[in-house]
Amino acid sequence: KNEVEQSPQNLTAQEGEFITINCSYSVGISALHWLQQHPGGGIVSLFMLSSGKKKHGRLIATINIQEKHSSLHITASHPRDSAVYICAAPFPSGGSNYKLTFGKGTLLTVNP
Amino acid sequence: KAGVTQTPRYLIKTRGQQVTLSCSPISGHRSVSWYQQTPGQGLQFLFEYFSETQRNKGNFPGRFSGRQFSNSRSEMNVSTLELGDSALYLCASSLNGRVDYEQYFGPGTRLTVT
Repeated sequence: KNEVEQSPQNLTAQEGEFITINCSYSVGISALHWLQQHPGGGIVSLFMLSSGKKKHGRLIATINIQEKHSSLHITASHPRDSAVYICAAPFPSGGSNYKLTFGKGTLLTVNP
Repeated sequence: KAGVTQTPRYLIKTRGQQVTLSCSPISGHRSVSWYQQTPGQGLQFLFEYFSETQRNKGNFPGRFSGRQFSNSRSEMNVSTLELGDSALYLCASSLNGRVDYEQYFGPGTRLTVT
C-alpha cells in the first residue's frame, strides 16, 4: 500500500527554536514534495527534492532515498512559520502515471 | 505571471444538488490536478488532466467528474451532492504533470453541503 507517514502531528515551539518535521514513505519514489498550508487553506510548495538537501532561507529539506525518509528543518523559527506542513510522494498509478499521496500534515505553532 | 485561480472561493449547496468548480492554471501550464481536503481524510487526489485528457484518476465515485478545455482551464463537477462532500477543493497546475515538476496550488474552493 502506498503510504506517507509524518511525525509529529502537532508541534509547539518557542520563537528561535530549531524545528524538525519527519516524513517516511512506503515505496521507492523519484521525488518528494514539502508543502506549507496556512489557516485559510492556501498551499505553497516549499521544496521538491529527489536527493540530498535543499535550502531556502531558514528552511532546509533533506531526503534519504535508501531509507525512504525525508526531513524538513526550520532554523531560528518565527511565529510567522506557524502553519501546517505536509509532505507528499508521487506513487505509480498505472502506466507512466503517478499520483501524489499526502501525509496527514504537521501543525506547527511557534510562540513569541 | 498570475497564479492559479479558482472560482468560486466559497459555495453552499444542498444535498442532492450538483456543483461545478473552476480552475485556471498558470499560463503555459498544461497539467491540472484536483484534490479534496477534509479534516478526516486529509488531502486526496481526485484526478489529473493534461491536454484536455484525463490522464489519472483517484479513488472517488463516478459522481466526481472533470474536464479540461483547450486553454488548459479545468472544471470539476460533483453531482448528487452528499454531506460528506463538504471539503476544500484544491487544484494545482504544473508544466507537464511529471512527478519531478513543481505543482502550484490555487487558493481552493470551500464547499459546504447542507
